[in-house]
Amino acid sequence: GAVVSQHPSRVICKSGTSVKIECRSLDFQATTMFWYRQFPKQSLMLMATSNEGSKATYEQGVEKDKFLINHASLTLSTLTVTSAHPEDSSFYICSASYSPTEAFFGQGTRLTVV
Amino acid sequence: GQNIDQPTEMTATEGAIVQINCTYQTSGFNGLFWYQQHAGEAPTFLSYNVLDGLEEKGRFSSFLSRSKGYSYLLLKELQMKDSASYLCAVRDDGGYQKVTFGTGTKLQVIP
Repeated sequence: GAVVSQHPSRVICKSGTSVKIECRSLDFQATTMFWYRQFPKQSLMLMATSNEGSKATYEQGVEKDKFLINHASLTLSTLTVTSAHPEDSSFYICSASYSPTEAFFGQGTRLTVV
Repeated sequence: GQNIDQPTEMTATEGAIVQINCTYQTSGFNGLFWYQQHAGEAPTFLSYNVLDGLEEKGRFSSFLSRSKGYSYLLLKELQMKDSASYLCAVRDDGGYQKVTFGTGTKLQVIP
């Protein structure tokens, strides 16, 4: 099956710094990738749709200047959390698909801002 | 917009059958997914329905009724390892075909 790799799996950063999370489709090309955030005991909330070669489409309530998304190639999308604060601590997950019948998820990144 | 509802928690006995329901009201529809998620891990794919009816895959089956905006996931011969959250997700029919998740159902399997 298709593999989506996300890196890092865990990161701890100081308040006010920025963190970059990478999402790669290892064996297929993904024109579109999705970024989700999941708080403890809650479901996945779609943050934005990452489009190769164009600007990301953000969901209502998600600050585009805080969560920078770049989809530089058909196999790589990055999410940068800028000026992170403790309330940004969460589980961030990306997904990608090459067919309409399945969406593949990365392993997730647990971000802790101290 | 998308509105997807599932029960928050369910408990079932090992070896039994459990049905997890999902209802949705969405602005567009192009398929419904079920995912399993263990605590602290990423979701794993279970099933996909785009046409009405029942899809069976081993111990797991998923049903869809598009006219009713309703789906269920049926788990048979429950095992302790089936204790997890089960997420219902709907793909819309827009240009990017976004997948939006329901609140998830936490299933606890007891001996």
